[in-house]
Amino acid sequence: DGGITQSPKYLFRKEGQNVTLSCEQNLNHDAMYWYRQDPGQGLRLIYYSQIVNDFQKGDIAEGYSVSREKKESFPLTVTSAQKNPTAFYLCASRPGTGLTDTQYFGPGTRLTVL
Amino acid sequence: AQSVTQLGSHVSVSEGALVLLRCNYSSSVPPYLFWYVQYPNQGLQLLLKYTTGATLVKGINGFEAEFKKSETSFHLTKPSAHMSDAAEYFCAVSDAGTASKLTFGTGTRLQVTL
Repeated sequence: DGGITQSPKYLFRKEGQNVTLSCEQNLNHDAMYWYRQDPGQGLRLIYYSQIVNDFQKGDIAEGYSVSREKKESFPLTVTSAQKNPTAFYLCASRPGTGLTDTQYFGPGTRLTVL
Repeated sequence: AQSVTQLGSHVSVSEGALVLLRCNYSSSVPPYLFWYVQYPNQGLQLLLKYTTGATLVKGINGFEAEFKKSETSFHLTKPSAHMSDAAEYFCAVSDAGTASKLTFGTGTRLQVTL
């Protein structure tokens, strides 16, 4: 089955700890994205990558970091510099960078910082 | 810069009634428009998208949307609501000025009552 997997589904961390969220896709898509979702605010773009070994900041990149060493993987690290990390995080991918290409979403990871 | 406005953060309809979820966009160039649905604690699933051509777009689960350039709108409709339609719905836009990024609205939560 092709798709996007995110693990874990729920994640708890203590304040001040870095945490890495996993995102893997077997769709052979070039582009990958990370979004943060908070109630009433829609989805906000954190980082995106259009090709392996390259990525760009989105609208709310501060306190986050990413890597794109493999086409199928795009992990997100939430660092201790992120002031309010508790949120629902969604990973997405799309076949290329065409404007009409559909973005496909993973099931999400809910991060709670205690 | 492009933007999306979804009027009504919560909409409640009776089962069998018409569903109308509103989306207005702002874009300086021809837009590409998307509607996604999200069930609780899950990722987003594409309902339909407008690229070019026919302005009435049909999607999955009986939903459709009409692109009206003069009104800068892309409202989502379904003739008869079903209990299983209860979810959150997001409108999104991309255009040539923003590479491959999507801008999302803040979402509308649809409640379906008996």
